[in-house]
Amino acid sequence: SQQGEEDPQALSIQEGENATMNCSYKTSINNLQWYRQNSGRGLVHLILIRSNEREKHSGRLRVTLDTSKKSSSLLITASRAADTASYFCVLIYNQGGKLIFGQGTELSVKP
Amino acid sequence: EPEVTQTPSHQVTQMGQEVILRCVPISNHLYFYWYRQILGQKVEFLVSFYNNEISEKSEIFDDQFSVERPDGSNFTLKIRSTKLEDSAMYFCASSGDRPSSGANVLTFGAGSRLTVL
Repeated sequence: SQQGEEDPQALSIQEGENATMNCSYKTSINNLQWYRQNSGRGLVHLILIRSNEREKHSGRLRVTLDTSKKSSSLLITASRAADTASYFCVLIYNQGGKLIFGQGTELSVKP
Repeated sequence: EPEVTQTPSHQVTQMGQEVILRCVPISNHLYFYWYRQILGQKVEFLVSFYNNEISEKSEIFDDQFSVERPDGSNFTLKIRSTKLEDSAMYFCASSGDRPSSGANVLTFGAGSRLTVL
């Protein structure tokens, strides 16, 4: 399968805690992106990490990529209730430009 | 901030009817996409479009589906004869990046929910 496998499928935390979501994949990628989807809404791009990068930061987001283990993680620090959403690991392969979405992690941040 | 706009937000149709979903991509973007998400399931790629032709399509995008850019601003998805299993949220997206650039970030619309009865 070309899609990423995300873990956990659902995560419930308290406001202020950190949330970590993981993504594993099977075939070498060109880049990996994380998108967010609020319930019933559109998808919003969060961050892109290229295959030759190991870590990227954007505000409270930190993404790591380990190409030897074929895995990535998304860390949201000091979570807020507004971070409640589904988070998708999205893979882009060398041979094409289409984005392949994983199943997503449903994050619930309780105030 | 530039947006991708989709209409209608929700459409209910009878099985066998034709449906056209409309999208206005970001004005200086050149690459256009349709994705769909059946309720509770993953987001699935349907088709990509560039330079007035399909660049790539998935196995879902069969002869019942077609895309068109009828003018300089709209990008449409037509389902010729809808089936129950076509019920889903359909997302349009656009990008200013070449797919081969390795930095292909998509801007998505809010989606059009299609319900087939």
